Amino acid sequence: QKEVEQNSGPLSVPEGAIASLNCTYSDRGSQSFFWYRQYSGKSPELIMFIYSNGDKEDGRFTAQLNKASQYVSLLIRDSQPSDSATYLCAVGSNTGFQKLVFGTGTRLLVSP
Amino acid sequence: GAVVSQHPSWVICKSGTSVKIECRSLDFQATTMFWYRQFPKQSLMLMATSNEGSKATYEQGVEKDKFLINHASLTLSTLTVTSAHPEDSSFYICSARPSGANVLTFGAGSRLTVL
Repeated sequence: QKEVEQNSGPLSVPEGAIASLNCTYSDRGSQSFFWYRQYSGKSPELIMFIYSNGDKEDGRFTAQLNKASQYVSLLIRDSQPSDSATYLCAVGSNTGFQKLVFGTGTRLLVSP
Repeated sequence: GAVVSQHPSWVICKSGTSVKIECRSLDFQATTMFWYRQFPKQSLMLMATSNEGSKATYEQGVEKDKFLINHASLTLSTLTVTSAHPEDSSFYICSARPSGANVLTFGAGSRLTVL
């Protein structure tokens, strides 16, 4: 059973701080890793994806991947109240998109 | 950018009736679409993969006779929840991948409430 684990939270950070969201996965064959943001009652929206070990930065967001430890994380710098949402980690077995397995998500609360 | 449209965005129906949800790729063709279901405070669970011109592939535990999927064209997939019951109440989300893209585009979702 392929699993993706996330702490459900909520993770509370003050505005301007760095939020660190973590995700572990069980399938060593996983090749593609995605972070989605989901506001309540809405569908997920892609924040970023990462395929290779190391860091990938996009604006205020940095994804970090460590395949040996089966660990992927998302850092949000200069957190804003509008970042308050549930962040879903998704893992695919092939580079790209096939049959993503989602974690249950971490709820982030950014206080003004 | 790629857009996936779902309709209806919400629906309320009586127990025992059937409900059809449409998923359209508006500006690209999609030979494959994915249907997810999300219960409150839970993650997205893949229900089935919809294949244009052929049968859908269902995930383990998903009843294919209850959740009918039709992918009749390169831009339209439909999910019909047959003989709906209150436990089928959920948020149904479809997604598709534009050719050449490495990520899925999600529809806005359809919230089904079965009374």
